[in-house]
Amino acid sequence: GENVEQHPSTLSVQEGDSAVIKCTYSDSASNYFPWYKQELGKGPQLIIDIRSNVGEKKDQRIAVTLNKTAKHFSLHITETQPEDSAVYFCAAIGSYIPTFGRGTSLIVHP
Amino acid sequence: DTEVTQTPKHLVMGMTNKKSLKCEQHMGHRAMYWYKQKAKKPPELMFVYSYEKLSINESVPSRFSPECPNSSLLNLHLHALQPEDSALYLCASSQEPGRVDEQYFGPGTRLTVT
Repeated sequence: GENVEQHPSTLSVQEGDSAVIKCTYSDSASNYFPWYKQELGKGPQLIIDIRSNVGEKKDQRIAVTLNKTAKHFSLHITETQPEDSAVYFCAAIGSYIPTFGRGTSLIVHP
Repeated sequence: DTEVTQTPKHLVMGMTNKKSLKCEQHMGHRAMYWYKQKAKKPPELMFVYSYEKLSINESVPSRFSPECPNSSLLNLHLHALQPEDSALYLCASSQEPGRVDEQYFGPGTRLTVT
């Protein structure tokens, strides 16, 4: 089955800095890679996703890159703000059932 | 509208109680999911419903009983739970079963078993 590794488990940055979270996956059949943001006491919220036929996707301050050859994908957040503080999960999907990474706790210090 | 709603938000129940969690979506999605999430862990898949039929059961104990009354509603019936079942229970939906698509999560029900 699919295995997704996510790093780092905790990321602490100053407001305005950039943050990068990286995931690797094992199953070359995976072709859809969503990122979820989960705030305390809430459900995961889909913030950006990328499909295997695309190398990069951007939405305002967030971007995702995908390297299919190396089987890794990354979330980039620029100009971080305190409200970006949350747990971020990556996922890899090949058969419509997602395999999640273990999560990254992002802390943005004002 | 990409909203999945869940009720109740919080639930405290004893080990002999019977309770139900409810989930609703009006996006016309035909795949619905139950996940369990422990603190500081990713969601774990429990059940998948495809076109109102149970298609995946991830070896979940029988004290959890899912039900899909119609294409918009998903229930999770709980009976004789254990304290280790305390967790956040998340419902999610996606457009078509078997198709790789965005999954939208509800806010979850925080369950405490005493």
